[in-house]
Amino acid sequence: EADIYQTPRYLVIGTGKKITLECSQTMGHDKMYWYQQDPGMELHLIHYSYGVNSTEKGDLSSESTVSRIRTEHFPLTLESARPSHTSQYLCASSEWTGGTGELFFGEGSRLTVL
Amino acid sequence: AQSVTQLGSHVSVSEGALVLLRCNYSSSVPPYLFWYVQYPNQGLQLLLKYTSAATLVKGINGFEAEFKKSETSFHLTKPSAHMSDAAEYFCAVSGSSNTGKLIFGQGTTLQVKP
Repeated sequence: EADIYQTPRYLVIGTGKKITLECSQTMGHDKMYWYQQDPGMELHLIHYSYGVNSTEKGDLSSESTVSRIRTEHFPLTLESARPSHTSQYLCASSEWTGGTGELFFGEGSRLTVL
Repeated sequence: AQSVTQLGSHVSVSEGALVLLRCNYSSSVPPYLFWYVQYPNQGLQLLLKYTSAATLVKGINGFEAEFKKSETSFHLTKPSAHMSDAAEYFCAVSGSSNTGKLIFGQGTTLQVKP
């Protein structure tokens, strides 16, 4: 069973606030990902990391930033939230061996910006 | 570039009927293909994956999928739908570079009627 945790599960905040979505995994995976999922729509990769001190932008441009100081931790930060950031954010990790690795997902963080 | 197309954003079946969710992919290299399920307010859970071994792949909860290279398809089936199968289903293909990124289809909502 996958052990990847996201907090908070739900967050409602006002415009202009700084928020951090936490993601932690206990599987020792090197690769971690953030996907953004709008209601009724597909998932879009916004950030990924190959390991400690490695972060890359994904396929969908995002105003959020990420950091990877520890293997198990991959937080996502929005410096100044706007209503357009309202979405569900899914964190995932993978051991990725030779192209057959599956992604393990957290339960998601649903962000609403008023 | 790789891509995934899921035909039909909504599929409705009666309990006990055959479930067929369609997925077509585009890939310039031999693909690795995945089906994920997402229940309301949860993350994604792997149903099954194709990794160039047997073309008929069996997954959890009675689902299976067949890889057909000539049709570039990876359709998901289940002989008899249960009410608990109602969820969002995503087909995904591994990215072209060795990053572990998955490219997701737009998702298909499965409704099961009593």
